Amino acid sequence: GAVVSQHPSWVICKSGTSVKIECRSLDFQATTMFWYRQFPKQSLMLMATSNEGSKATYEQGVEKDKFLINHASLTLSTLTVTSAHPEDSSFYICSASGPGFSGKIYEQYFGPGTRLTVT
Amino acid sequence: DQQVKQNSPSLSVQEGRISILNCDYTNSMFDYFLWYKKYPAEGPTFLISISSIKDKNEDGRFTVFLNKSAKHLSLHIVPSQPGDSAVYFCAASEGGNKLTFGTGTQLKVEL
Repeated sequence: GAVVSQHPSWVICKSGTSVKIECRSLDFQATTMFWYRQFPKQSLMLMATSNEGSKATYEQGVEKDKFLINHASLTLSTLTVTSAHPEDSSFYICSASGPGFSGKIYEQYFGPGTRLTVT
Repeated sequence: DQQVKQNSPSLSVQEGRISILNCDYTNSMFDYFLWYKKYPAEGPTFLISISSIKDKNEDGRFTVFLNKSAKHLSLHIVPSQPGDSAVYFCAASEGGNKLTFGTGTQLKVEL
């Protein structure tokens, strides 16, 4: 149980276009989803926390107008990178937690990640 | 500012031996520490954790040690198995569910 999927697994787009990444919890209701970004040989950096039905909370330094997050249902959150540029090329990974869990920190279940390359 | 650091990007260990992965942190307010394991093309999976009020937690082959005065934690895997080959991330939290990750250590367990 507690499976999280991401789609697409990798995407190449041209500079100036927008890209949408989906994160789905397949077998549980995810009231909270987290979006991370990882550069090569660097940490997973938390970008934002989204709760179902409300606006996402962005970390300092993350442009909310550039990285649009929607968490409209208990099983789906999307991250849209708007007007993508080469510096947005990165590995984006989501995680999810739900009401059935104890609320413990480690009960975040991670998706496999999406590799974005902007040319 | 990298608050959680894993200074060894890679580690190679023979099967059956002990693997020791290290992690240092700078934020003294961190009160919960976790280790995650990550295989290629998969998301990180939770491995073991420790609260700041403890100095050791053991789960099967995995033991995490915490030295608060040195702001250092380590993960011991005994005995190491080929299936343990993966990237290991340490992570820390300050009073909530926001995680700060280290850069990861690639463990390779050789036959």
